[in-house]
Formats: sequence, C-alpha cells, structure tokens
Amino acid sequence: DGGITQSPKYLFRKEGQNVTLSCEQNLNHDAMYWYRQDPGQGLRLIYYSQIVNDFQKGDIAEGYSVSREKKESFPLTVTSAQKNPTAFYLCASSIRENEKLFFGSGTQLSVL
Amino acid sequence: SQQGEEDPQALSIQEGENATMNCSYKTSINNLQWYRQNSGRGLVHLILIRSNEREKHSGRLRVTLDTSKKSSSLLITASRAADTASYFCATETYSGAGSYQLTFGKGTKLSVIP
Repeated sequence: DGGITQSPKYLFRKEGQNVTLSCEQNLNHDAMYWYRQDPGQGLRLIYYSQIVNDFQKGDIAEGYSVSREKKESFPLTVTSAQKNPTAFYLCASSIRENEKLFFGSGTQLSVL
Repeated sequence: SQQGEEDPQALSIQEGENATMNCSYKTSINNLQWYRQNSGRGLVHLILIRSNEREKHSGRLRVTLDTSKKSSSLLITASRAADTASYFCATETYSGAGSYQLTFGKGTKLSVIP
C-alpha cells in the first residue's frame, strides 16, 4: 500500500522543548516538503528537499530543522526557538519538484 | 507574501448545482494546481495546468487559466455532498537562486447541501 505516513497525529509540546514530527514515504519520490497550516489559512512552506542529504529553507524556516538521511524519510524538528508552534503540519512528496504533491494526513501540534 | 488568492472565501450551493472558484496570482507562473482538503486531513491533488495551457478537464472538474489576467478558475459540475471540502490553488513561481517554489492560497470553503 503506497503512501506517505505522518506520525503522531497529535503532539503536545512543553515550554522549551524540542519535538520531532515523523514523515515516511514509500512512493520512491525524490522531493519532499514540510508545510505549516494555521486555521483558515493556506499552507506555508517550511523546508523542502529535492534529494537525499540536501534540503532548502522555505518561507518560514526559523525555529525549525530537518534532515534527509534516507530517501524515504524527512523528519521535522520544531525547536524551542519557534515561539508560536501551534499549527497543523503537513508533509508531502512528489516525483517531480513542485508537481502533483502527495500529502500525509498531518500532525496537529499544540503547546501545553 | 501570498501569491495565489482564492475567491470566494466560502461558497454554499445545493446538490446538483455547479460550483465555480477563482484564483488570482501576482507573478508569472510555470504551472497552477488545484488541491482539495477535507477537514483535518491532508490535501489531495486534483489537476495541474501549465502556463502554456488554457483549459483542462478531469471528470466533473474543469480548470481554465488566463495568463493575461493572471487568473484561474475551477468548475465542479453537478456537485455532490461529498464535494464539501476546502479547495486550494497553488502556483509554481521562481523564488530566486535558480529555485522554484510552490505557493498555496488560503482556499475556498465549499459546502454542498443535500
């Protein structure tokens, strides 16, 4: 069953804590993306990766970090430097960059 | 900055009617895509139209692109209650240093009443 899996579905962060959101795909896609969605808003790009061991900052990368050690995996860490982390986080992948993105089901991050 | 802006923000129609959503953008694009999102879920790709294309169809969906007006429209014909969702346009534009980026609008929330 091919697809893109995000976990956990819900995540709570305490003050000063770093948390990591998981994103795994078995679609054999080279490109992967992380977007943030706030209520009633569109998606804003945090980071993207076109190939293993390479990634670029999007529009709102401050307070976030990523790694791309394997083609299948693109985890996102929300650091304590991100002062307003409460949002719905979406991971996506695609065969060709910026075309026909496949999305995971999202992680809702909230602050305790 | 917001590249694509959908209009209207919300749309409510009766089942069987057609639904039209519009997207306007500011800078030149390589392609424009429409996605659908059910509440609390990920987005699903619907259709991609390239800058040199004017119209594309997929089932009950029809997308038009007018690059002179920097706008696109998504038409859903014979709507069903299951079409209730938010619809987003996304534009691929040059973001500098040889890179391109896909930018999403804020979406149109469509409600189809049975």
